[in-house]
Amino acid sequence: EGQLVESGGGLVQSGGSLRLSCVTSGFTFSRHDLHWVRQAPGKGLEFVAAISGNGARTDYGSSVKGRCTVSRDNSKNIVYLQVDRLRSEDTAVYYCASGGYGAPANWGQGTLVSVSS
Amino acid sequence: EIVLMQSPGTLSLSPGERATLSCRASQTVTDNYLAWYQQKAGQAPRLLIYGASIRATGIADRFSGSGSGTDFTLTITRLEPEDFAVYYCQHYVTSPWTFGQGARVEIK
Repeated sequence: EGQLVESGGGLVQSGGSLRLSCVTSGFTFSRHDLHWVRQAPGKGLEFVAAISGNGARTDYGSSVKGRCTVSRDNSKNIVYLQVDRLRSEDTAVYYCASGGYGAPANWGQGTLVSVSS
Repeated sequence: EIVLMQSPGTLSLSPGERATLSCRASQTVTDNYLAWYQQKAGQAPRLLIYGASIRATGIADRFSGSGSGTDFTLTITRLEPEDFAVYYCQHYVTSPWTFGQGARVEIK
């Protein structure tokens, strides 16, 4: 099943950028699709981005499309999420998850991003 | 974009009772690309069901998913104390994938 550990969260100013990382272990990284899903405080889940095992396919949520880039380094077992032009509504816990493309089964514990205006 | 509406918003039941949660899509969810997740307070979501009716690895058989087209259901046959949580449906037909707003199952 493996483990996923997110990092890179914290307090960021509106208009700025951040890059989240998700370090994985315990599974064959290159064979797994990776996802980012976020949850604003007290709110529901929102799909952010996904990347296929070989990196050839990426998909983005509607509220981040054009501001967000997902990438992966299969030599380091890490997936990244770059978000630019941050807004207050990007404040959320960001989860990294692995598994079937679109329906991931294995989730990290999340990293909190707070965007200050 | 496919919009998913879950009902009811909150279900108040006792342990041992049956829970039935509904998820209705604004467009056909082709190939049954519909998943269900459980989330407890302070925890990451857990995948319960994918492909509308396939239980994920390690999920108890009291959880079952059904439906097709635009109407889907998650059923928990006999609620255990650990089942009281928030449940989300999610489609993965085409990007952007979307989640329902969530449904809370609370202890009556």
